[in-house]
Amino acid sequence: QVQLQESGPGLVKPSETLSLTCTVSGGSVSSYYWTWIRQPPGKGLEWIGYIYYSGTTNYNPSLKSRVTISVDTSKNQFSLKLNSVTAADTAVYYCAGEIRGVYYGMDVWGQGTTVTVSS
Amino acid sequence: DIQMTQSPSTLSASVGDRVTVTCRASQNIGGWLAWYQQKPGKAPKLLIYKASTLESGVPSRFSGSGSGTEFTLTISSLQPDDFATYYCQRYNRYPYSFGQGTKLEIK
Repeated sequence: QVQLQESGPGLVKPSETLSLTCTVSGGSVSSYYWTWIRQPPGKGLEWIGYIYYSGTTNYNPSLKSRVTISVDTSKNQFSLKLNSVTAADTAVYYCAGEIRGVYYGMDVWGQGTTVTVSS
Repeated sequence: DIQMTQSPSTLSASVGDRVTVTCRASQNIGGWLAWYQQKPGKAPKLLIYKASTLESGVPSRFSGSGSGTEFTLTISSLQPDDFATYYCQRYNRYPYSFGQGTKLEIK
């Protein structure tokens, strides 16, 4: 079955770029829809954006000016870049997939990775 | 953007109780709503999609209903494993969005 694993630095300095990767195993990144979600400490879930393997993306308007999501089919991965980070970007970041298509919800999730923004 | 509002924010209940969580959309989203369960330190888990379709492997005590702007998640008889936070999420069109969550606590 499809499994996801996030990776990337756990600590990022203010004003720098947060970069995370989600590795897809048990399936192909070229087959499904992929999403990044985050959760600040003690708060709810925030949808960041999605990508289809063709490169089609859509982003949360509140983050759109700072976010880029990309896919690397050769590595079976997709990635998140968030630039000009501040303490407000401290969160657990999850990658997720819509394995059955866009009508069935996000049915596969990574375990999440904690990113702290601090100098 | 379409806003999703859940109520209540916190719900105290006992094992065996029947509980209902409500999710309201600021605009018509048809039936494009999912419910997720999240336990502390864990990723969310998909429970229900298309407002009322139970995800494979999810106990039948969970059910969802609604369409348009008002939706409900019902747990017919609470079990100890059900104490968690529940989120609704609309996916009628991008950008998607979540409700703020409902924390189900033991009374």
